[in-house]
Amino acid sequence: DAKTTQPTSMDCAEGRAANLPCNHSTISGNEYVYWYRQIHSQGPQYIIHGLKNNETNEMASLIITEDRKSSTLILPHATLRDTAVYYCIVRSAGGTSYGKLTFGQGTILTVHP
Amino acid sequence: NAGVTQTPKFRVLKTGQSMTLLCAQDMNHEYMYWYRQDPGMGLRLIHYSVGEGTTAKGEVPDGYNVSRLKKQNFLLGLESAAPSQTSVYFCATYSRDRGYEQYFGPGTRLTVT
Repeated sequence: DAKTTQPTSMDCAEGRAANLPCNHSTISGNEYVYWYRQIHSQGPQYIIHGLKNNETNEMASLIITEDRKSSTLILPHATLRDTAVYYCIVRSAGGTSYGKLTFGQGTILTVHP
Repeated sequence: NAGVTQTPKFRVLKTGQSMTLLCAQDMNHEYMYWYRQDPGMGLRLIHYSVGEGTTAKGEVPDGYNVSRLKKQNFLLGLESAAPSQTSVYFCATYSRDRGYEQYFGPGTRLTVT
């Protein structure tokens, strides 16, 4: 699976959009971009994933660049409860990956009042 | 549905003692995983299972054994605990046919003195 690079930490004001970047310059054609978050040492929680089109769900939006070498997770209206570690993960959709996830250190997002 | 549960939630062991961590799921997922998370780090895969009776090594398997005798349970064993195994252990499940996200348990905090 391709390696990802994320900033160590970011801050965001409550109510504003939080934009979390991720670089995955070695991503290959069949690899998806996944985002998970981990709130205060709980088990990680799935947020969103995408292949090459932008995606949106009730939690967030995912913007993937046309060359797929980077992506941005957008939390449109951040709340204090969004304070967490956010992990960007690239994973193959192929059967031999067996769904395995490779976690980096992630981005610590702190939402301020 | 309980989802993914882990037993116990906390444990303190002395060096050389043994123990078994239990992960149970009620979602009928075929894939199950054990991860460990050290302070300030992302999760690392210890072992995983793609079905009842099958197990495979992950990124950091040394010092651990696993068994999957029943589809709903995945056991992680430490035969002779070492202080380096002090960590938070997370179990996760995944179904290739039912979606794209891994579901994580609440974690087991293990301290080896």
